[in-house]
Amino acid sequence: DTAVSQTPKYLVTQMGNDKSIKCEQNLGHDTMYWYKQDSKKFLKIMFSYNNKELIINETVPNRFSPKSPDKAHLNLHINSLELGDSAVYFCASSQLREEAFFGQGTRLTVV
Amino acid sequence: AQSVAQPEDQVNVAEGNPLTVKCTYSVSGNPYLFWYVQYPNRGLQFLLKYITGDNLVKGSYGFEAEFNKSQTSFHLKKPSALVSESALFFCAVRDGRGYQKVTFGIGTKLQVIP
Repeated sequence: DTAVSQTPKYLVTQMGNDKSIKCEQNLGHDTMYWYKQDSKKFLKIMFSYNNKELIINETVPNRFSPKSPDKAHLNLHINSLELGDSAVYFCASSQLREEAFFGQGTRLTVV
Repeated sequence: AQSVAQPEDQVNVAEGNPLTVKCTYSVSGNPYLFWYVQYPNRGLQFLLKYITGDNLVKGSYGFEAEFNKSQTSFHLKKPSALVSESALFFCAVRDGRGYQKVTFGIGTKLQVIP
């Protein structure tokens, strides 16, 4: 059983399109995250939800909108995609303050 | 503001030799410290953490790390490196207070040479 699963694994899309990435965890964790890893492998947090409540919202363009329908799911919707959005996006979950479990990543390529 | 420094972009070690991957941190409150490993085209995997207690922390796959409060360091170590452990290693820190975010270092590439 995959602990943190995100779909799709690869996403190639044109500039200006809107796309979503889905994430689900079956670990019973109360906190979920979205991270962005750029081409230099630098990892930066974007958002964090605790029990469906947004608790961390880093400096991210408004085009990025997370949605947590329940504490096992955290989706990421991106409007008006730009070339600079190309990266690997990781979903993760944890018990609050504990170590995180990461999904396998979604490689987004904007052309 | 909290920060993590991994001073080496890459560490090369011969198979069977001990390895050390360095990490120093800065945080206002008590630090929660983590090490993760990332293999190519994979997500990060948790290795070990320090929250409180013994300064020497033992983790998965024979890795360990030593918390040094005076030097604000949390270096990762292993007595004998394997070629299969060539990967990208990330140190991370969070402030122990409240809903603080986790800050990751830039990563250190470990290359184990056969």
